[in-house]
Amino acid sequence: EPEVTQTPSHQVTQMGQEVILRCVPISNHLYFYWYRQILGQKVEFLVSFYNNEISEKSEIFDDQFSVERPDGSNFTLKIRSTKLEDSAMYFCASSVTTASPYNEQFFGPGTRLTVL
Amino acid sequence: AQKVTQAQTEISVVEKEDVTLDCVYETRDTTYYLFWYKQPPSGELVFLIRRNSFDEQNEISGRYSWNFQKSTSSFNFTITASQVVDSAVYFCALSDGGSNYKLTFGKGTLLTVNP
Repeated sequence: EPEVTQTPSHQVTQMGQEVILRCVPISNHLYFYWYRQILGQKVEFLVSFYNNEISEKSEIFDDQFSVERPDGSNFTLKIRSTKLEDSAMYFCASSVTTASPYNEQFFGPGTRLTVL
Repeated sequence: AQKVTQAQTEISVVEKEDVTLDCVYETRDTTYYLFWYKQPPSGELVFLIRRNSFDEQNEISGRYSWNFQKSTSSFNFTITASQVVDSAVYFCALSDGGSNYKLTFGKGTLLTVNP
């Protein structure tokens, strides 16, 4: 069964460093998302990506964040200069087509980012 | 703005009991979509069920059932004959009928099923 994959599973970095989180969405999906979950809290939307551009972003997704689909398979989230409060689990998700928002989003296993 | 409220932060039951997880949502959209996701201790998010705003028919899928009531903006989820493997955090989520279909999640309910 196709699934969303994410690497690495755990990333530890120093404050101020750049990190890139990687995701491989399900191959025939067209919409891609990043969410984050601070430990013990709810899952929060960061950004959606469609047709090679950002379609919507949240207040959390400031200038320190960027997303990219560098090839036909990978979808990356870059944090330019990490802060302590960026420590969280980051989930990538993808969904099928624009035909219906009824299609559920499939989530990857997450990348736990720890900023020291 | 959309909002999802899961008033139950933690529920503890004994195996084989039925358990209902509550979800109340707010949206100004007339077309919207509701979901339940499960997050086991391993951390991944697993899709369970979905319902759209124009279909209030309640369904049963195996041990899962849901009760969608537009009049009270509620989308409750029931697990029948709970099992220890059902222990997880359960999130209710809402997606509007506009663009991008982003999910707005509730804070989750931690369900513990004891043997």
